[in-house]
Amino acid sequence: DAGITQSPRHKVTETGTPVTLRCHQTENHRYMYWYRQDPGHGLRLIHYSYGVKDTDKGEVSDGYSVSRSKTEDFLLTLESATSSQTSVYFCAISTGETQYFGPGTRLLVL
Amino acid sequence: AQSVSQHNHHVILSEAASLELGCNYSYGGTVNLFWYVQYPGQHLQLLLKYFSGDPLVKGIKGFEAEFIKSKFSFNLRKPSVQWSDTAEYFCAVNPGGGADGLTFGKGTHLIIQP
Repeated sequence: DAGITQSPRHKVTETGTPVTLRCHQTENHRYMYWYRQDPGHGLRLIHYSYGVKDTDKGEVSDGYSVSRSKTEDFLLTLESATSSQTSVYFCAISTGETQYFGPGTRLLVL
Repeated sequence: AQSVSQHNHHVILSEAASLELGCNYSYGGTVNLFWYVQYPGQHLQLLLKYFSGDPLVKGIKGFEAEFIKSKFSFNLRKPSVQWSDTAEYFCAVNPGGGADGLTFGKGTHLIIQP
């Protein structure tokens, strides 16, 4: 499982509240990613990081921000959650050319 | 922008049937190609990958895939499916082999009937 954990695993929140999801890895991989999974869309890249404090936007970055102050942690923040952000969020790491995924966080925005 | 098409969104097969799931991508340069599987309630697991060399790649659990460059395709196959293969299957592309993130197809939901 490439030593990836995500927290929380499940969260219910209300529209307009801030939410932060955490991805933690134990193997010092440089590249980390956040994806969202929605029925009929597969997985779509939100943001990724190529090192501490180095991040870039993906395909669906609007409404999301990220931070990476330590190699092992990659945080995804929804500044003001909306119902359209109800989804399953997966973190991934890259070993160079292959990505491995965490267990996911199921987020429901009411 | 690159895209990945998976032609079959839902597939229902009986045990022991042969399986082929289609995947086409739109990118003219070098690509790394992947198939991931997601069993019910679980995270994505890597089935197999292609970077270069022999276009027929073998993965875990008896799966294989063939890269056909001229057709921009990377179809997944298994000669004889089992009930435990029931899952969602995703094709993904990494254009240029870099680390900018994967582009996924929309997935194929495979149901194997006993």
